[in-house]
Amino acid sequence: GQSLEQPSEVTAVEGAIVQINCTYQTSGFYGLSWYQQHDGGAPTFLSYNALDGLEETGRFSSFLSRSDSYGYLLLQELQMKDSASYFCALRGTYKYIFGTGTRLKVLA
Amino acid sequence: DVKVTQSSRYLVKRTGEKVFLECVQDMDHENMFWYRQDPGLGLRLIYFSYDVKMKEKGDIPEGYSVSREKKERFSLILESASTNQTSMYLCASSLLGKAETQYFGPGTRLLVL
Repeated sequence: GQSLEQPSEVTAVEGAIVQINCTYQTSGFYGLSWYQQHDGGAPTFLSYNALDGLEETGRFSSFLSRSDSYGYLLLQELQMKDSASYFCALRGTYKYIFGTGTRLKVLA
Repeated sequence: DVKVTQSSRYLVKRTGEKVFLECVQDMDHENMFWYRQDPGLGLRLIYFSYDVKMKEKGDIPEGYSVSREKKERFSLILESASTNQTSMYLCASSLLGKAETQYFGPGTRLLVL
């Protein structure tokens, strides 16, 4: 089967760095995306890794290692507004699979 | 900016009713998607469409059907609503070949009594 595992909850303080992991089991895919969703809001696209390695977009970075079946989202200089749920998602051929989501709580 | 709109934010229906959820996007995207989101399960793909009148089943198509008669509009149909279809329904769209970057609507919270 195909599944993506994420920690259910992560807590960090304002200004810190936090890493949200995503491990997967799948027979093949094109790349790994990350989405942010605030309570009551729609998911919004953050980042995409088509290749192994690190992609940086401002305070957010995303990493993919196909050999380890693993990816992560790195959030730096945490702000209160980063409190949200974060989802990893695999893109395959006619397959779009989302992880269960990680709820990030940023403390003042 | 891409805008994806859904016909209702909240909907209450009775078991056995036929339910229509409408989604419209204004960016000429080829791909459109319907997901349901449940606590602890993340987003699960119900159906998607890559062109007018074209559709592909997602992971959980049972009990649902879809219609895409115009490029900008994608409808999700619950043929006979059941209580286990109570959920948040999210519509999304993307460019063809860029399905990794999906733009989501605000969602419809459906309660089936």
